[in-house]
Amino acid sequence: DARVTQTPRDKVTEMGQEVTMRCQPILGHNTVFWYRQTMMQGLELLAYFRNRAPLDDSGMPKDRFSAEMPDATLATLKIQPSEPRDSAVYFCASGPGESEQFFGPGTRLTVL
Amino acid sequence: GENVEQHPSTLSVQEGDSAVIKCTYSDSASNYFPWYKQELGKRPQLIIDIRSNVGEKKDQRIAVTLNKTAKHFSLHITETQPEDSAVYFCAARRAYALNFGKGTSLLVTP
Repeated sequence: DARVTQTPRDKVTEMGQEVTMRCQPILGHNTVFWYRQTMMQGLELLAYFRNRAPLDDSGMPKDRFSAEMPDATLATLKIQPSEPRDSAVYFCASGPGESEQFFGPGTRLTVL
Repeated sequence: GENVEQHPSTLSVQEGDSAVIKCTYSDSASNYFPWYKQELGKRPQLIIDIRSNVGEKKDQRIAVTLNKTAKHFSLHITETQPEDSAVYFCAARRAYALNFGKGTSLLVTP
């Protein structure tokens, strides 16, 4: 049963530090999405890749967030510098197209 | 952009009863409507979806209905069980982006 994997599962860091989250999409999926989940805002789309090309990152604060797909098996989301308001659960999802999306287990980020 | 409203925010039912969660969307170009179930501390899991060319879809105890004219869709769970307790999210897709509702916390009491 293929699943999206994410590392780390939990991350506690101090304000100003760099945070890198990693995602391995399901083999053969050509779309990758990054979401942020908070109690207040719910699930928000941060970035979208198709065939490794970034097609939309309008949901990300550009000055501190960046998302990349160095290869088909790895997507990264980086925050530099991190701030307490970035505390959230970050989910990666992949899909065989733009419809079905399968979520990873998430990275719970706490910025002190 | 697309705006998805979901109601109710919390729902409590007795085991064996039915549960209905409703969502409305604003963009008539949306053409794909999935429902996700998220248990505490877990990932959202796709449980059922419907496309805009279909009015109803059923999978065992869960069903989804879509009214394109009114721009609303609903999740129906019959014969609820305690393991159905979770947060349920609806979403509407236009182009590639899924826009999620704020979620419904469903509690099924024995």
